[in-house]
Amino acid sequence: AAGVIQSPRHLIKEKRETATLKCYPIPRHDTVYWYQQGPGQDPQFLISFYEKMQSDKGSIPDRFSAQQFSDYHSELNMSSLELGDSALYFCASSPTVGTTEKLFFGSGTQLSVL
Amino acid sequence: AQTVTQSQPEMSVQEAETVTLSCTYDTSESDYYLFWYKQPPSRQMILVIRQEAYKQQNATENRFSVNFQKAAKSFSLKISDSQLGDAAMYFCAYRSARGGADGLTFGKGTHLIIQP
Repeated sequence: AAGVIQSPRHLIKEKRETATLKCYPIPRHDTVYWYQQGPGQDPQFLISFYEKMQSDKGSIPDRFSAQQFSDYHSELNMSSLELGDSALYFCASSPTVGTTEKLFFGSGTQLSVL
Repeated sequence: AQTVTQSQPEMSVQEAETVTLSCTYDTSESDYYLFWYKQPPSRQMILVIRQEAYKQQNATENRFSVNFQKAAKSFSLKISDSQLGDAAMYFCAYRSARGGADGLTFGKGTHLIIQP
């Protein structure tokens, strides 16, 4: 069965650089969520999209932005990177019908800011 | 705002034994979902079990079962016949049932160690 695809798996950036993370949800899933998990921390909700519109916002810094495209894939854009942005970034998706409360997670993008 | 509390940072159990991981939550909502996610060293988040708040019957998935006490706002996970592959971080999570694209609220996690 198809899963949530995230790219890249690993990303190394310098301070003040920009990064773009991509997420491809499971087919027929119209809702995408982004989470940030720092070392030894629980995942923190950043932002979500439903039908290509921003739906809910969590603790996302102003330096970050995200969008969902017509094919439902989503991109998280991170600018002016700081050391504290080093974390595992998860994308998750949920279906339109059926078990809409279930979130299916991708394998994450490990971002290291040097 | 909802909060999820896991009071056990780390638990250890012998292989083949039973272990219970604790989780409490705080909410003013009456309809919601509760989940247990497993995060092995690969860091993939894997759904273990889910419970609908309106259901009194406790969810069960093979060796995994929950003890859901709605009045006490408690949602513990019992793992029977523990296996080495169960070693992981376990996160308890809450999600509102009111619709929209609310994210999950996670607890801080419990690190489960399986001793051979």
